[in-house]
Amino acid sequence: DTGVSQDPRHKITKRGQNVTFRCDPISEHNRLYWYRQTLGQGPEFLTYFQNEAQLEKSRLLSDRFSAERPKGSFSTLEIQRTEQGDSAMYLCASSLEGLYSGNTIYFGEGSWLTVV
Amino acid sequence: TQLLEQSPQFLSIQEGENLTVYCNSSSVFSSLQWYRQEPGEGPVLLVTVVTGGEVKKLKRLTFQFGDARKDSSLHITAAQPGDTGLYLCAGGPGNTPLVFGKGTRLSVIA
Repeated sequence: DTGVSQDPRHKITKRGQNVTFRCDPISEHNRLYWYRQTLGQGPEFLTYFQNEAQLEKSRLLSDRFSAERPKGSFSTLEIQRTEQGDSAMYLCASSLEGLYSGNTIYFGEGSWLTVV
Repeated sequence: TQLLEQSPQFLSIQEGENLTVYCNSSSVFSSLQWYRQEPGEGPVLLVTVVTGGEVKKLKRLTFQFGDARKDSSLHITAAQPGDTGLYLCAGGPGNTPLVFGKGTRLSVIA
């Protein structure tokens, strides 16, 4: 399977714990995005990378959130001191910048976080 | 801040009926994408439209991009239960992260 893969698919954690999600993009894609989706809402942009550079961060990304893409391949999203309001699906997506694809991005299956 | 408004928010129809859902914005987009999402899964790309007035067909689905590139519609002919899902539109003014609407939740009843 050469699509975007995310791990873990599901995570239940206690409030105050740290969690980390991993995303492996489509291999030739140089852009990687993180979105968050809660019930009844569309995906909301969090941050994105071009290669290893983090180009933009949403105001939704509080100081407790940090994302990395150290070698320009896979990425991690860490949430420190989780709160119940962090419960959501965290979606990773990737795209190939420069290809005339109309800014099309391709999503992984998402990582569900439940904070109890 | 760009906003994408999708309507209707919910739609429940009988198998075999036709339907149209809409995506509107006050901003001009360089491209617009439609995705379909099933519960617990990530959105799956259906189509990308880039030219004002463009019409694309995907089997029973017809997508149209408005002439001014501010709106789009998705028409489904003879809906089937397998069409059930959340339909999301997303767009951006250029080479920027996509903004998503809240989606239209479609239920097709056999």
